[in-house]
Amino acid sequence: SQKIEQNSEALNIQEGKTATLTCNYTNYSPAYLQWYRQDPGRGPVFLLLIRENEKEKRKERLKVTFDTTLKQSLFHITASQPADSATYLCALDPFSGGYNKLIFGAGTRLAVHP
Amino acid sequence: EPEVTQTPSHQVTQMGQEVILRCVPISNHLYFYWYRQILGQKVEFLVSFYNNEISEKSEIFDDQFSVERPDGSNFTLKIRSTKLEDSAMYFCASSEALLLAGDQEQFFGPGTRLTVL
Repeated sequence: SQKIEQNSEALNIQEGKTATLTCNYTNYSPAYLQWYRQDPGRGPVFLLLIRENEKEKRKERLKVTFDTTLKQSLFHITASQPADSATYLCALDPFSGGYNKLIFGAGTRLAVHP
Repeated sequence: EPEVTQTPSHQVTQMGQEVILRCVPISNHLYFYWYRQILGQKVEFLVSFYNNEISEKSEIFDDQFSVERPDGSNFTLKIRSTKLEDSAMYFCASSEALLLAGDQEQFFGPGTRLTVL
């Protein structure tokens, strides 16, 4: 069956450390993978998009990698801050042929402690 | 900065009643979406809409659901006869019609919390 899995329900780290979140997928062949942030009771907010021909993408303190062989994306937040505490969702379009929908993982809840 | 807006923020209804959830997408966007999130669960795709017709829908989006763009700014989701299991947060999203859904960011609204009693 098709699945998107994100590692653990919650990740607790100390302020200033690097948070690494994992997204694994099975039985999909996405050409793109996206990461969103969701705060409690709010809608997802887009962070980064990475294409299959890109190994790595950066934006300020954020970095995403995409390994289509391993079927995995890693999301890193460097120099983490308490304000980074949120749930992080990975999402993909299940087919590269143009289906207009995003399939989301369940998310990883990140808590950054001072 | 332009944003997607949704009304109402919270809707309480009795089982079997019809509800209409409203969204105003970002003005120059051409693709519109509805997602739902049951409390504590993942965000689930319901339907995408482009050029005044449904582009894609999920198995959740059965005959009880419909979408409409009644004018140049609003995008609505109607649930004809609500069930208890329809209780969820419903998110509207929009994106520019560039390429494929996966190749463009989607802008989400704040959501409407629907409670069916």
